[in-house]
Amino acid sequence: SAVISQKPSRDICQRGTSLTIQCQVDSQVTMMFWYRQQPGQSLTLIATANQGSEATYESGFVIDKFPISRPNLTFSTLTVSNMSPEDSSIYLCSVGVVYEQYFGPGTRLTVT
Amino acid sequence: EDQVTQSPEALRLQEGESSSLNCSYTVSGLRGLFWYRQDPGKGPEFLFTLYSAGEEKEKERLKATLTKKESFLHITAPKPEDSATYLCAVQASLRDDKIIFGKGTRLHILP
Repeated sequence: SAVISQKPSRDICQRGTSLTIQCQVDSQVTMMFWYRQQPGQSLTLIATANQGSEATYESGFVIDKFPISRPNLTFSTLTVSNMSPEDSSIYLCSVGVVYEQYFGPGTRLTVT
Repeated sequence: EDQVTQSPEALRLQEGESSSLNCSYTVSGLRGLFWYRQDPGKGPEFLFTLYSAGEEKEKERLKATLTKKESFLHITAPKPEDSATYLCAVQASLRDDKIIFGKGTRLHILP
């Protein structure tokens, strides 16, 4: 298994600003994933981040809006840029361990 | 297209009343099927992975089973602390490590 922490746990942001979410894992992992969970919905994969390479984005998500960094095997950041109220969601970091995925506690973002 | 459908959307049970949650899936080559529990305001908590039809796994009052088209999460004699949203997800062998989630079943156990 893996223990994952995220910062911040929640934030309220103004429209047009950006927020960077940090994800820290207690062990080295190859693949890290960023998900979004909108109110009352299930999880949607935003992108997959491998250390040393550019993130791979899912359909509907672009790097300019959700830039991701993966500087080492235990850390990643997701930035939500030029925010609008539609970006209000829970953002979750996840890591793959063998064939299983473990999730962080999430960052609850509200955009006003 | 790979798809995961969970039913029912919501379920209310009396404490001690056993029931089952369903997860049906269509995927191009199943690598694994996962069950998670999610409490309000928290990230999903991993429960089980099932890899092949006929496989079963148990944890306390929960038992997960898998067929070629669906999985069941059986809850035996549930307690109020079992109240949560239960998420099913599949990993397709042809989609790298990506996991596709269902919308979940909101389970409420009444004392």
